[in-house]
Amino acid sequence: QVQLQQWGAGLLKPSETLSLTCAIDGGSFSDYYWTWIRQSPGKGLEWIGEIDHNGNTNYNPSLKSRLTISRDTSKNQFSLDLNSATAADTAVYYCARGPLHMVMVTTPGYWYFDLWGRGTLVTVSS
Amino acid sequence: SSDLTQDPAVSVALGQTVRITCQRDGLRNYYASWYQVKPGQAPVLVIYGKNNRPSGIPDRFSGSTSRNIASLTITGAQAEDEADYYCDSRDTSTNHVIFGAGTKLTVL
Repeated sequence: QVQLQQWGAGLLKPSETLSLTCAIDGGSFSDYYWTWIRQSPGKGLEWIGEIDHNGNTNYNPSLKSRLTISRDTSKNQFSLDLNSATAADTAVYYCARGPLHMVMVTTPGYWYFDLWGRGTLVTVSS
Repeated sequence: SSDLTQDPAVSVALGQTVRITCQRDGLRNYYASWYQVKPGQAPVLVIYGKNNRPSGIPDRFSGSTSRNIASLTITGAQAEDEADYYCDSRDTSTNHVIFGAGTKLTVL
């Protein structure tokens, strides 16, 4: 059974860099879209950004200037780095798997996240 | 601009049918997907595409789309269906993903 294992520092001081990694355990890596999503306390889900099957990235405009999403295909992992963290970045961060690239080619109009990590609570506080 | 609008809260009597809607402004090129989020748990995909259920999702969950309104219907709601439900879609104009603000479902 495919699982996403995620980890990273749970407590940061303002201005530090928020770094998380997600590893794909038991499944293919290269042909999917891989995404970071967060949920701030009492708020809804927010798409942070993605890295696709070619390694191309796509970021939420509100975070783009501080954000880097990268991957290590040799380790079946992808990572999030969000610099200059503030209290507003306090949230539960999830990694998630988007569709296979071929699904998007063969079934236009299909978009979804079918596999999620367990979430990492990141608190930014002085 | 592109947006997904959901009602903040909906309630349903146990065993009855409830429809949760997602108004898609400027987002007609992709079907909405639906996620169930319970406190302290990761989101779970319950409906995607035209009306597809991932393995393990009960068949009381179904989805539909009419014009710019995507709907999630729970036929015979159970106590365990009480959760927040979010729709999402991909915006082809920006290539970004957008989530609705979520609907809190209460099962009475």
